[in-house]
Amino acid sequence: AQSVSQHNHHVILSEAASLELGCNYSYGGTVNLFWYVQYPGQHLQLLLKYFSGDPLVKGIKGFEAEFIKSKFSFNLRKPSVQWSDTAEYFCAVGVSNDYKLSFGAGTTVTVRA
Amino acid sequence: DGGITQSPKYLFRKEGQNVTLSCEQNLNHDAMYWYRQDPGQGLRLIYYSQIVNDFQKGDIAEGYSVSREKKESFPLTVTSAQKNPTAFYLCASSILVRPNEQFFGPGTRLTVL
Repeated sequence: AQSVSQHNHHVILSEAASLELGCNYSYGGTVNLFWYVQYPGQHLQLLLKYFSGDPLVKGIKGFEAEFIKSKFSFNLRKPSVQWSDTAEYFCAVGVSNDYKLSFGAGTTVTVRA
Repeated sequence: DGGITQSPKYLFRKEGQNVTLSCEQNLNHDAMYWYRQDPGQGLRLIYYSQIVNDFQKGDIAEGYSVSREKKESFPLTVTSAQKNPTAFYLCASSILVRPNEQFFGPGTRLTVL
């Protein structure tokens, strides 16, 4: 089974700072990649996804992620964060046509006004 | 308004009691999943079901049971055999052709006293 590593457990930023969250996985075959976000008191929402094609994926709320196959990475970025981006972020990896998603441990992002 | 509903939002039980968590979806999705979320561990798959009357164990199925009698419903029973049942439980669903792309319900927080 694949494993997913998120490098940061807790990130604290000021508003307008840039954000980058690391995600690496351990499967060598074809994968589907996801970032989910969980805002305080809300359910898990899909932020963006990669299945194939352009490795630079744009999601909701100004987030983007880049798939680098050679590095087994799918890092999440946002150029300028807002207080409302305070949330927990999860990277998830699935093998194509398999039902199992493997999740990273999550990164808590706190944005200070 | 399509989505996944989980009830109740909070659940308290005494140790040794079985408890059943509800999950209903009106997205017409074929596959449904149960995850457990613990702080610092991300989401771990308990059970999943691709079709009615069929389900498979995930990574941490011990102490849990499920049924899938209807397409819309996938209840999870936390049995007294589960050694550490206090957790946040998330239900998800997906379409068959994109099983990795899962949509999540709001979750049930179970506390065993």
